[in-house]
Amino acid sequence: NAGVTQTPKFRILKIGQSMTLQCAQDMNHNYMYWYRQDPGMGLKLIYYSVGAGITDKGEVPNGYNVSRSTTEDFPLRLELAAPSQTSVYFCASSYGGGVSYEQYFGPGTRLTVT
Amino acid sequence: AQRVTQPEKLLSVFKGAPVELKCNYSYSGSPELFWYVQYSRQRLQLLLRHISRESIKGFTADLNKGETSFHLKKPFAQEEDSAMYYCALMDSGGSNYKLTFGKGTLLTVNP
Repeated sequence: NAGVTQTPKFRILKIGQSMTLQCAQDMNHNYMYWYRQDPGMGLKLIYYSVGAGITDKGEVPNGYNVSRSTTEDFPLRLELAAPSQTSVYFCASSYGGGVSYEQYFGPGTRLTVT
Repeated sequence: AQRVTQPEKLLSVFKGAPVELKCNYSYSGSPELFWYVQYSRQRLQLLLRHISRESIKGFTADLNKGETSFHLKKPFAQEEDSAMYYCALMDSGGSNYKLTFGKGTLLTVNP
């Protein structure tokens, strides 16, 4: 199993550009999550999904959109990129929600907006 | 609001010395606490969680509700323990699946 995969690994965007960060998992997990980690800070939840077709906002959703058309994929869309979105983005997945289920993380995407 | 505080950004110890990484939390509900670790060039991964009451790689953590702490301890540090450690909190009772992370502590174990 590849686990949780993310593409690209690195990306530089100009202000106002858009892009999609890809996330896929092959563990048949129902729950998927997007976090961002700013320098020197902890991870913050952007969006999460409890199954195909169901998504919900996390702590910092502004400036982002998500979709979940399949169990495997959970892309994160940035519209009109801003310097404040410079961060490392982590995708994670878990079989279920709540404290009993471990979240498995991807390797991250390092995004710079200039 | 949920908040997790890790007061030490950096912690350096010598091999064989005891190590304690501090974690304090603020939450009015019923929290569940976790420790995640990220070794160099590896992914963030779960180290241990309070609900499991387990010891992983010699590390233990005790939830002290009176002091609202969940400090991570190991009696004899090893060089391979050098990593970034994050404390995290989740609401154990509701449908909120959000993990709230602390800012992390970079542990360096010197030979």
